[in-house]
Amino acid sequence: KQEVTQIPAALSVPEGENLVLNCSFTDSAIYNLQWFRQDPGKGLTSLLLIQSSQREQTSGRLNASLDKSSGRSTLYIAASQPGDSATYLCAVRRNTDKLIFGTGTRLQVFP
Amino acid sequence: DAGVIQSPRHEVTEMGQEVTLRCKPISGHNSLFWYRQTMMRGLELLIYFNNNVPIDDSGMPEDRFSAKMPNASFSTLKIQPSEPRDSAVYFCASSLGLAGIQETQYFGPGTRLLVL
Repeated sequence: KQEVTQIPAALSVPEGENLVLNCSFTDSAIYNLQWFRQDPGKGLTSLLLIQSSQREQTSGRLNASLDKSSGRSTLYIAASQPGDSATYLCAVRRNTDKLIFGTGTRLQVFP
Repeated sequence: DAGVIQSPRHEVTEMGQEVTLRCKPISGHNSLFWYRQTMMRGLELLIYFNNNVPIDDSGMPEDRFSAKMPNASFSTLKIQPSEPRDSAVYFCASSLGLAGIQETQYFGPGTRLLVL
């Protein structure tokens, strides 16, 4: 059974710091991995999607990497801002449309 | 496009009552997903449809839960009878759902359900 874990569970940093959020999964047979952002009381917004054949994806200040063989992905946030404060979720997909979500990292960036 | 639309946004009901949650996917999307989010269990997939047909309902917790998709633009998730442990945020998501295409899912704002 696929299990997805995210570390740390919570993170509080001052504005301007570069951050790394970690995601690990137990079954490396995945089709893709997605990173989502969830604001309090809101739905999820997709940030980056990495196909199993890819090593990384970039969008603005965000960079996500994928190492399938070791079952790991990282989300790198450069020059963090208070507006980045949210919960970040990673999710993996196998050979169906089902997404298995991680436990989430709650990020707070203070001015 | 307005995105995925869910109603109601908040629902408070008493144990034993029937609850119906509604979802309108993004126009043109062929796959629709119902998720439940709780503090204890995180985000879990309950059921998903492709072209209005239920593909995987293994996440539906009990027979008290049922979901339908009568057409491409509407789906319901029903809980009958409801119990306090059903209290959670229920999300609907949709995607293009084209075979072999690894595209992203778009989430609605969720329905926050409280069963007293």
